[in-house]
Amino acid sequence: NAGVTQTPKFQVLKTGQSMTLQCAQDMNHEYMSWYRQDPGMGLRLIHYSVGAGITDQGEVPNGYNVSRSTTEDFPLRLLSAAPSQTSVYFCASSPGTRSGNTIYFGEGSWLTVV
Amino acid sequence: GEDVEQSLFLSVREGDSSVINCTYTDSSSTYLYWYKQEPGAGLQLLTYIFSNMDMKQDQRLTVLLNKKDKHLSLRIADTQTGDSAIYFCAETGGSYIPTFGRGTSLIVHP
Repeated sequence: NAGVTQTPKFQVLKTGQSMTLQCAQDMNHEYMSWYRQDPGMGLRLIHYSVGAGITDQGEVPNGYNVSRSTTEDFPLRLLSAAPSQTSVYFCASSPGTRSGNTIYFGEGSWLTVV
Repeated sequence: GEDVEQSLFLSVREGDSSVINCTYTDSSSTYLYWYKQEPGAGLQLLTYIFSNMDMKQDQRLTVLLNKKDKHLSLRIADTQTGDSAIYFCAETGGSYIPTFGRGTSLIVHP
């Protein structure tokens, strides 16, 4: 009963490096999304996907890239890390039906860019 | 974009009731959620309410929804020190992608 699996849990990057945060769900959910959480700012939407092959930008997409080649996976790529991207990142998935839309979260990825 | 607003802090005495308020702007909201986050941890779903309901009760938690005023509240009865956390209000509209408030820090003191 894995739910939403996010890796890595902790990462330190140097400015300019690239990396990918992995997110996988085993519930056959259509809807997946990435958020960043900063103190006092709540969770801000970076990118989201409403199904395999479909992605769209959220509130704070700059500096991030996503793809959704399968229903299960929704990786988030940092193209050239900047200190402003130091944050906690959460991946979420949901079935997106009118009969129920429980949102499931990964455990979070703590990213520090130095 | 759509907004979800919450007050940032709430302080209550242990044993009292806590009421955390939230307002939202999306008139097409279908589900409204309350999440709890303890320090250094992820988000824990407390409860959610469908937009055609006006109240939901689950043990010490009571959710009230005023759809006309787009106002959601979470009442915690008999608040305990273990309830100290950040509480997030969230809503999903037609996109099914949740929009979150900034979170309310609940501080419970003896």
